[in-house]
Amino acid sequence: QKEVEQNSGPLSVPEGAIASLNCTYSDRGSQSFFWYRQYSGKSPELIMFIYSNGDKEDGRFTAQLNKASQYVSLLIRDSQPSDSATYLCAAYNQGGKLIFGQGTELSVKP
Amino acid sequence: KAGVTQTPRYLIKTRGQQVTLSCSPISGHRSVSWYQQTPGQGLQFLFEYFSETQRNKGNFPGRFSGRQFSNSRSEMNVSTLELGDSALYLCASSGGDSADTQYFGPGTRLTVL
Repeated sequence: QKEVEQNSGPLSVPEGAIASLNCTYSDRGSQSFFWYRQYSGKSPELIMFIYSNGDKEDGRFTAQLNKASQYVSLLIRDSQPSDSATYLCAAYNQGGKLIFGQGTELSVKP
Repeated sequence: KAGVTQTPRYLIKTRGQQVTLSCSPISGHRSVSWYQQTPGQGLQFLFEYFSETQRNKGNFPGRFSGRQFSNSRSEMNVSTLELGDSALYLCASSGGDSADTQYFGPGTRLTVL
């Protein structure tokens, strides 16, 4: 079992819709969780981090964390074609390493 | 604040050669981590340096090494290059207000022929 797992996609949504990206992690001791966006040929850029159970909102982005279910999600409201990218979920394991999922490719169709 | 910088941005080497990549973290950040990204394996952790000491290490062979200087700048070295070392090498720095949040540099694209 991989430490951080994501559906690779591609996930395709129409412009203006809500995109829902999911991630599970295996290390129950993980405390910090991150979402990064990576455009093709570019490096990852931080979207959000979340430490506590529940929702955290930042503009059109909402991160959700459920530690009991070991589940992290990212919702993108009013999706735009410019949101088309690969979204990486990451979590620190108890060894202090930041472990990344394989990424979910999102495509927003005009 | 200036972001993380990496040099060079692109590099072409042949098998058996060695290569040194450089990373300058965000001002005030004392932790620098290195990652290898390939289409098949995704983003894989190489090592982390903090205050000139290796704090953590991933599962890579000893051909991959690194170091950090007193100004927090870091270098990584790959010796005896193999074709499979072709990848995007990413450096990330952390520290400051959100101590464990990592910010990535633009990466170095290494091609081994």
